Amino acid sequence: AQSVTQLDSQVPVFEEAPVELRCNYSSSVSVYLFWYVQYPNQGLQLLLKYLSGSTLVESINGFEAEFNKSQTSFHLRKPSVHISDTAEYFCAAVGAAGNKLTFGGGTRVLVKP
Amino acid sequence: NAGVMQNPRHLVRRRGQEARLRCSPMKGHSHVYWYRQLPEEGLKFMVYLQKENIIDESGMPKERFSAEFPKEGPSILRIQQVVRGDSAAYFCASSPDRSLEKLFFGSGTQLSVL
Repeated sequence: AQSVTQLDSQVPVFEEAPVELRCNYSSSVSVYLFWYVQYPNQGLQLLLKYLSGSTLVESINGFEAEFNKSQTSFHLRKPSVHISDTAEYFCAAVGAAGNKLTFGGGTRVLVKP
Repeated sequence: NAGVMQNPRHLVRRRGQEARLRCSPMKGHSHVYWYRQLPEEGLKFMVYLQKENIIDESGMPKERFSAEFPKEGPSILRIQQVVRGDSAAYFCASSPDRSLEKLFFGSGTQLSVL
Protein backbone atom coordinates (compact mmCIF):
# COMPACT_ATOMS: atom_id res chain seq x y z
CA ALA A 1 0.00 0.00 0.00
CA GLN A 2 1.07 3.53 -0.72
CA SER A 3 2.27 5.70 2.17
CA VAL A 4 3.14 9.38 2.28
CA THR A 5 5.28 11.09 4.91
CA GLN A 6 5.45 14.79 5.57
CA LEU A 7 8.35 15.28 7.92
CA ASP A 8 7.39 18.70 9.27
CA SER A 9 4.09 19.18 11.05
CA GLN A 10 4.57 22.95 11.37
CA VAL A 11 6.75 25.44 9.55
CA PRO A 12 6.88 29.03 10.77
CA VAL A 13 8.34 31.40 8.22
CA PHE A 14 8.69 35.15 7.82
CA GLU A 15 6.99 37.00 5.00
CA GLU A 16 9.07 37.14 1.81
CA ALA A 17 11.34 34.33 3.02
CA PRO A 18 11.58 31.02 1.12
CA VAL A 19 9.85 27.89 2.33
CA GLU A 20 10.26 24.19 1.60
CA LEU A 21 7.78 21.52 2.65
CA ARG A 22 9.10 18.01 2.53
CA CYS A 23 7.20 15.00 1.24
CA ASN A 24 8.36 11.44 0.76
CA TYR A 25 6.31 8.57 -0.60
CA SER A 26 6.73 4.84 -0.56
CA SER A 27 8.22 3.47 -3.70
CA SER A 28 5.89 2.28 -6.41
CA VAL A 29 6.33 1.28 -10.01
CA SER A 30 4.35 4.28 -11.14
CA VAL A 31 2.91 7.00 -8.99
CA TYR A 32 1.02 10.23 -9.34
CA LEU A 33 1.76 12.95 -6.79
CA PHE A 34 -0.25 15.92 -5.61
CA TRP A 35 -0.01 18.89 -3.29
CA TYR A 36 -3.23 20.27 -1.81
CA VAL A 37 -3.71 23.43 0.26
CA GLN A 38 -6.32 23.87 2.95
CA TYR A 39 -7.00 27.43 4.09
CA PRO A 40 -8.63 27.89 7.49
CA ASN A 41 -12.18 26.53 7.61
CA GLN A 42 -12.14 25.53 3.97
CA GLY A 43 -11.84 22.35 1.94
CA LEU A 44 -8.82 21.17 0.04
CA GLN A 45 -7.75 22.85 -3.15
CA LEU A 46 -5.37 21.31 -5.63
CA LEU A 47 -2.11 23.26 -5.75
CA LEU A 48 -0.16 21.22 -8.29
CA LYS A 49 0.32 17.68 -9.50
CA TYR A 50 2.86 15.42 -11.12
CA LEU A 51 1.56 12.78 -13.49
CA SER A 52 4.40 12.32 -15.96
CA GLY A 53 6.86 14.29 -18.06
CA SER A 54 8.85 17.17 -16.60
CA THR A 55 9.85 16.49 -13.03
CA LEU A 56 9.41 20.15 -12.07
CA VAL A 57 5.80 21.29 -11.80
CA GLU A 58 4.56 24.76 -10.97
CA SER A 59 1.40 26.35 -9.65
CA ILE A 60 -0.10 29.66 -10.68
CA ASN A 61 0.71 31.30 -7.33
CA GLY A 62 4.45 30.73 -7.27
CA PHE A 63 4.77 27.27 -5.72
CA GLU A 64 6.78 24.54 -7.39
CA ALA A 65 7.52 20.92 -6.62
CA GLU A 66 10.09 18.54 -7.99
CA PHE A 67 9.54 14.84 -8.46
CA ASN A 68 12.68 12.95 -7.49
CA LYS A 69 12.32 9.27 -8.23
CA SER A 70 15.65 8.18 -6.74
CA GLN A 71 14.83 9.86 -3.42
CA THR A 72 11.09 9.13 -3.64
CA SER A 73 10.41 12.74 -2.80
CA PHE A 74 8.09 15.49 -3.99
CA HIS A 75 9.11 18.55 -1.97
CA LEU A 76 7.15 21.78 -2.32
CA ARG A 77 8.94 25.13 -2.47
CA LYS A 78 8.18 28.80 -2.77
CA PRO A 79 10.97 31.37 -3.04
CA SER A 80 9.05 34.16 -1.30
CA VAL A 81 5.94 33.59 0.80
CA HIS A 82 3.06 35.95 1.51
CA ILE A 83 0.86 36.25 4.57
CA SER A 84 -1.93 34.73 2.47
CA ASP A 85 0.07 31.50 2.12
CA THR A 86 -0.73 30.69 5.75
CA ALA A 87 -2.53 27.36 5.45
CA GLU A 88 -2.09 23.64 5.84
CA TYR A 89 -0.46 21.80 2.97
CA PHE A 90 -1.04 18.15 2.19
CA CYS A 91 1.02 15.89 -0.02
CA ALA A 92 -0.84 12.97 -1.59
CA ALA A 93 -0.02 10.03 -3.82
CA VAL A 94 -1.78 7.37 -5.80
CA GLY A 95 -0.42 4.41 -7.69
CA ALA A 96 -1.10 4.56 -11.41
CA ALA A 97 -3.54 1.69 -11.09
CA GLY A 98 -4.94 2.88 -7.79
CA ASN A 99 -8.32 4.36 -7.05
CA LYS A 100 -7.70 6.40 -3.94
CA LEU A 101 -5.38 9.12 -2.76
CA THR A 102 -3.13 8.51 0.22
CA PHE A 103 -2.41 11.68 2.16
CA GLY A 104 0.47 12.74 4.33
CA GLY A 105 -0.18 14.13 7.78
CA GLY A 106 -0.04 17.72 6.60
CA THR A 107 2.30 20.64 7.22
CA ARG A 108 0.95 23.78 8.79
CA VAL A 109 2.63 26.91 7.41
CA LEU A 110 2.40 30.07 9.47
CA VAL A 111 3.70 33.15 7.69
CA LYS A 112 4.72 35.91 10.07
CA PRO A 113 5.01 39.59 9.13
CA ASN B 1 -20.90 25.04 -12.41
CA ALA B 2 -21.10 24.84 -8.67
CA GLY B 3 -18.36 22.96 -6.89
CA VAL B 4 -18.77 19.92 -4.68
CA MET B 5 -21.46 20.80 -2.15
CA GLN B 6 -21.50 19.32 1.29
CA ASN B 7 -24.12 19.86 3.96
CA PRO B 8 -24.49 20.54 6.68
CA ARG B 9 -21.33 22.53 7.23
CA HIS B 10 -21.44 21.77 10.94
CA LEU B 11 -23.32 18.94 12.62
CA VAL B 12 -23.66 18.41 16.35
CA ARG B 13 -24.90 15.10 17.68
CA ARG B 14 -25.14 13.48 21.08
CA ARG B 15 -23.68 10.07 21.65
CA GLY B 16 -25.97 7.36 20.29
CA GLN B 17 -27.66 9.54 17.69
CA GLU B 18 -27.37 9.15 13.95
CA ALA B 19 -25.41 11.48 11.67
CA ARG B 20 -26.21 11.88 7.98
CA LEU B 21 -23.75 13.78 5.84
CA ARG B 22 -24.62 14.80 2.30
CA CYS B 23 -22.47 15.37 -0.71
CA SER B 24 -23.61 16.67 -4.09
CA PRO B 25 -20.85 16.12 -6.64
CA MET B 26 -19.99 18.55 -9.37
CA LYS B 27 -22.17 18.40 -12.45
CA GLY B 28 -21.08 15.58 -14.69
CA HIS B 29 -19.15 13.78 -11.94
CA SER B 30 -20.23 10.23 -11.23
CA HIS B 31 -17.39 9.21 -8.92
CA VAL B 32 -17.50 10.17 -5.25
CA TYR B 33 -14.93 9.69 -2.51
CA TRP B 34 -15.32 10.21 1.23
CA TYR B 35 -12.38 11.09 3.47
CA ARG B 36 -12.17 11.68 7.19
CA GLN B 37 -9.81 14.14 8.87
CA LEU B 38 -9.30 13.54 12.56
CA PRO B 39 -7.89 16.38 14.67
CA GLU B 40 -4.20 16.97 14.00
CA GLU B 41 -4.12 14.25 11.34
CA GLY B 42 -4.21 14.04 7.58
CA LEU B 43 -7.10 12.82 5.52
CA LYS B 44 -7.88 9.13 5.57
CA PHE B 45 -9.74 7.42 2.74
CA MET B 46 -13.07 5.90 3.70
CA VAL B 47 -15.05 4.88 0.64
CA TYR B 48 -15.23 5.26 -3.12
CA LEU B 49 -18.57 5.10 -4.89
CA GLN B 50 -19.75 5.31 -8.43
CA LYS B 51 -23.43 5.85 -9.13
CA GLU B 52 -25.37 3.15 -7.24
CA ASN B 53 -22.22 1.10 -6.60
CA ILE B 54 -19.66 0.90 -3.84
CA ILE B 55 -16.32 0.38 -5.55
CA ASP B 56 -13.95 0.40 -2.57
CA GLU B 57 -14.96 0.58 1.08
CA SER B 58 -11.66 -0.57 2.53
CA GLY B 59 -11.38 2.53 4.72
CA MET B 60 -14.82 2.30 6.29
CA PRO B 61 -15.14 1.12 9.87
CA LYS B 62 -16.81 -2.28 9.90
CA GLU B 63 -19.71 -1.18 12.07
CA ARG B 64 -22.04 1.83 12.25
CA PHE B 65 -20.78 3.45 9.03
CA SER B 66 -22.44 3.16 5.64
CA ALA B 67 -22.42 5.11 2.40
CA GLU B 68 -24.58 5.28 -0.66
CA PHE B 69 -24.69 7.17 -3.93
CA PRO B 70 -28.15 6.67 -5.45
CA LYS B 71 -29.05 7.17 -9.07
CA GLU B 72 -30.78 10.40 -8.15
CA GLY B 73 -29.71 12.70 -5.37
CA PRO B 74 -26.61 13.26 -3.29
CA SER B 75 -24.21 10.77 -1.82
CA ILE B 76 -24.91 10.08 1.85
CA LEU B 77 -22.46 9.04 4.54
CA ARG B 78 -24.39 7.65 7.47
CA ILE B 79 -23.01 7.09 10.93
CA GLN B 80 -25.25 5.26 13.36
CA GLN B 81 -24.96 5.47 17.15
CA VAL B 82 -22.21 8.07 17.03
CA VAL B 83 -19.43 8.09 19.62
CA ARG B 84 -17.06 10.88 20.61
CA GLY B 85 -14.31 9.34 18.48
CA ASP B 86 -16.39 10.00 15.38
CA SER B 87 -15.84 13.74 15.86
CA ALA B 88 -13.92 14.82 12.77
CA ALA B 89 -14.13 16.70 9.51
CA TYR B 90 -15.62 14.60 6.74
CA PHE B 91 -14.70 15.58 3.21
CA CYS B 92 -16.30 14.50 0.00
CA ALA B 93 -14.59 14.68 -3.37
CA SER B 94 -15.91 14.02 -6.84
CA SER B 95 -14.41 13.22 -10.20
CA PRO B 96 -15.75 12.65 -13.73
CA ASP B 97 -13.77 9.42 -13.94
CA ARG B 98 -11.53 7.22 -11.84
CA SER B 99 -8.26 8.82 -12.84
CA LEU B 100 -8.11 11.20 -9.82
CA GLU B 101 -6.50 13.88 -11.97
CA LYS B 102 -9.69 15.92 -11.91
CA LEU B 103 -10.67 15.41 -8.29
CA PHE B 104 -12.45 18.28 -6.55
CA PHE B 105 -13.08 18.49 -2.83
CA GLY B 106 -16.01 19.95 -0.95
CA SER B 107 -15.62 22.22 2.07
CA GLY B 108 -16.36 19.40 4.45
CA THR B 109 -18.78 18.68 7.29
CA GLN B 110 -17.47 19.16 10.79
CA LEU B 111 -19.11 16.55 13.01
CA SER B 112 -19.02 17.16 16.74
CA VAL B 113 -20.25 14.45 19.08
CA LEU B 114 -21.14 15.61 22.57
